[in-house]
Amino acid sequence: QVQLVQSGAEVKKPGASVKVSCKASGYTFTNYAMHWVRQAPGQSLEWMGCINNDNVNTRYSQKFQGRVTITRDISASTVYMGLSSLRYEDTAVYFCARVPSKVATFPPYYFDYWGQGTLVTVSS
Amino acid sequence: QSALTQPASVSGSPGQSITISCTGTSRDVGGYNYVSWYQHHPGKAPKLMIYEVTNRPSGVSSRFSGSKSANTASLTISGLQAEDEGDYYCTSYTSSSTLDYVFGAGTKVTVL
Repeated sequence: QVQLVQSGAEVKKPGASVKVSCKASGYTFTNYAMHWVRQAPGQSLEWMGCINNDNVNTRYSQKFQGRVTITRDISASTVYMGLSSLRYEDTAVYFCARVPSKVATFPPYYFDYWGQGTLVTVSS
Repeated sequence: QSALTQPASVSGSPGQSITISCTGTSRDVGGYNYVSWYQHHPGKAPKLMIYEVTNRPSGVSSRFSGSKSANTASLTISGLQAEDEGDYYCTSYTSSSTLDYVFGAGTKVTVL
């Protein structure tokens, strides 16, 4: 069965960087694109960006442009989300979410499987 | 402030039907048939319940159904069961130039 298993919780200081991983199993990793979504405490979900199956094409929310980097390691069937220059307001649970397509920027526009979430706490 | 408007909470007794609304604009909900719904229990992975407004993934109970009228999408849960408790989020593709998806604030469903 499809599984997306994310790395464990992180505590970071303001200004630092964090890299969250999402290991995929149960399907052909190279056939699907992946997105990242976050949820700050008491807030709704927020789309951050995505990467196609080709490990080349990415697209980011303007809100995070310049601070977020999404990559994938085909040999490890893992997608990574890096966020730099962390601020207190980046404290959130970060989710990876698969789309049933190779290309994230074309239909279908929904997430068929999600990871369990990774809590990133930014604290001094 | 979320881009899509959902009621904060909806409740019902076992066996009843409830409907959760999700209101957006012509740039998202009203402009595309790309509304999806997710059930989320804190600490767990969100689960896809409805995609492309009305479609139900395999394995999701037929008690869940979706619809849309103008800028408002709806999720209906019929024959409410205790296991249906949780948070429900709607999302839509958006034609915004700054991001691809918008989400609702979430609706907490309580089975009385």
